[in-house]
Amino acid sequence: GDSVTQMEGPVTLSEEAFLTINCTYTATGYPSLFWYVQYPGEGLQLLLKATKADDKGSNKGFEATYRKETTSFHLEKGSVQVSDSAVYFCALSGRSGGSNYKLTFGKGTLLTVNP
Amino acid sequence: EAGVTQFPSHSVIEKGQTVTLRCDPISGHDNLYWYRRVMGKEIKFLLHFVKESKQDESGMPNNRFLAERTGGTYSTLKVQPAELEDSGVYFCASSPMGIGAGNTIYFGEGSWLTVV
Repeated sequence: GDSVTQMEGPVTLSEEAFLTINCTYTATGYPSLFWYVQYPGEGLQLLLKATKADDKGSNKGFEATYRKETTSFHLEKGSVQVSDSAVYFCALSGRSGGSNYKLTFGKGTLLTVNP
Repeated sequence: EAGVTQFPSHSVIEKGQTVTLRCDPISGHDNLYWYRRVMGKEIKFLLHFVKESKQDESGMPNNRFLAERTGGTYSTLKVQPAELEDSGVYFCASSPMGIGAGNTIYFGEGSWLTVV
């Protein structure tokens, strides 16, 4: 079945540091790829997505490129802020049977940014 | 516009008791999903409604879990009887279109369930 593997956390960075959270996937067909974020005390929010190979999703300074050849969708940000502290989830949408689709998530990576 | 709302936000119950979680999707969204995250593990799909019909319930763990969406509006997820391993966060999500082709679904804040 489909699976998503993302780097284990927690990740602790200083403000303005460069961030990379690795994500690789296994899926049949051509899934869409997502990064979701959960800020403290809040629900899951879509951060960015890419629906086909070589697409780059971007939002709030975060970027991720859909790499089919390496089955990866690594999240990057050039300069993190304290407000970026959250749990980040990589996910893909794939078929769960017939015409049904579901999201498959990684385990999540806790990011803490210190001032 | 109100987002996906879930109730209760936190619940602590004893093993063997019953808990009912409620989800109100965004108005007009026909698709409603339940996911859960057991501590330290991935967020996993439970089931998917289209209006009042169960489109896909392949993720429901066992028959102690019952989901309903009468009238195609809000949904409830009942756990009866609750076991310790049911502890976790239960997320509800909704969308106007299905997930296929990368459509976005909108999550609620989750209902935290602790079974003691």
